[in-house]
Amino acid sequence: DAGVTQSPTHLIKTRGQQVTLRCSPKSGHDTVSWYQQALGQGPQFIFQYYEEEERQRGNFPDRFSGHQFPNYSSELNVNALLLGDSALYLCASSVLDGSGNTIYFGEGSWLTVV
Amino acid sequence: QKEVEQNSGPLSVPEGAIASLNCTYSDRGSQSFFWYRQYSGKSPELIMFIYSNGDKEDGRFTAQLNKASQYVSLLIRDSQPSDSATYLCAVNSRDDKIIFGKGTRLHILP
Repeated sequence: DAGVTQSPTHLIKTRGQQVTLRCSPKSGHDTVSWYQQALGQGPQFIFQYYEEEERQRGNFPDRFSGHQFPNYSSELNVNALLLGDSALYLCASSVLDGSGNTIYFGEGSWLTVV
Repeated sequence: QKEVEQNSGPLSVPEGAIASLNCTYSDRGSQSFFWYRQYSGKSPELIMFIYSNGDKEDGRFTAQLNKASQYVSLLIRDSQPSDSATYLCAVNSRDDKIIFGKGTRLHILP
């Protein structure tokens, strides 16, 4: 049973560029959440997707956008990259079954903006 | 007021002793509470979740929840060097967002 998978694992981008990160949820999970984790900080909630719709959003600018596909996989897009966007981007999957929305993380994508 | 607060540490505990990690949260309507362990350079790994007031035990780990005091704790008995990591407290708030604290760095002294 594959867990949450993310790609790419590491990437380097230049300021002003755009990046797309990808995530496949754990088998049986229908909800995907994205988090940004800067060095020394806890994960910060970006947004959550369920049934191909953005269900919740954290305090992130519109440069951060996402998508969920019919197979529940998801993409995170960041436009006009800033140096401050350098972080570990974590995808987490869960099932909204009323039992508490327990989330499981992938290994993350390390983004460096230079 | 920060939504989920943890002491950043580092918390140093001798091997074999009990490590006690604490967390407070601001949203009184929060329903579920989680502890994640994160090794350096790795993603967070779920180790415990708790929904009801009281204690929940799983092996060497015990989670404690006091909703009246808005307080969650994690006890690690018989601490091992492999327990050295950052421990993240997370709370599922009433609007169903899971919010994390900044984490507490735990160092088990051999």
